Amino acid sequence: GAVVSQHPSRVICKSGTSVKIECRSLDFQATTMFWYRQFPKQSLMLMATSNEGSKATYEQGVEKDKFLINHASLTLSTLTVTSAHPEDSSFYICSANHRGLTEAFFGQGTRLTVV
Amino acid sequence: AQTVTQSQPEMSVQEAETVTLSCTYDTSESNYYLFWYKQPPSRQMILVIRQEAYKQQNATENRFSVNFQKAAKSFSLKISDSQLGDTAMYFCAFSAGGGAQKLVFGQGTRLTINP
Repeated sequence: GAVVSQHPSRVICKSGTSVKIECRSLDFQATTMFWYRQFPKQSLMLMATSNEGSKATYEQGVEKDKFLINHASLTLSTLTVTSAHPEDSSFYICSANHRGLTEAFFGQGTRLTVV
Repeated sequence: AQTVTQSQPEMSVQEAETVTLSCTYDTSESNYYLFWYKQPPSRQMILVIRQEAYKQQNATENRFSVNFQKAAKSFSLKISDSQLGDTAMYFCAFSAGGGAQKLVFGQGTRLTINP
């Protein structure tokens, strides 16, 4: 099956700094990737849709200047949390769809802790 | 907008028993897909089963089957001969049809299989 790799799996950063999370499709090209956020014991909430070669589409309430998304190639999307604060601490998960397929393949997730 | 509702926050059964997880959804789309995802303690999202709305036949994958009631907008998951490894969070999810689409998740059901 298709593999999506997300890195890092865990990161701790100081308040006010920025942190980048990578999402790679290892064996397929993904024109669209999705970024979700999951708070403890809650469901996944879509943050944004990342489109290769164009601007990301953000969900209502998600600050695009805080959560920068770049999808520079067909196999890589990055999420940068800028000027992180403790309330940004969460589990971030990416997913990608192989062209033409409805099944989403998920990365392993990144646990971000802002101290 | 689509919504997905899982009304059972937690369920617990004995090993080898059968358990059914409930899910209802709301949409005005005519072409869509429904999914059940499993999230074990590792937090890796794993696809359990998928149903295309245009198919009347209920999907099955080994011990996992669904009861898809399109008119009632209901999509329950039945796990037969439950195993300890089935212990996880289970999320029902919806995506509109037509290529790579975002997933809308339910709140999740925490399933515990007891030995």
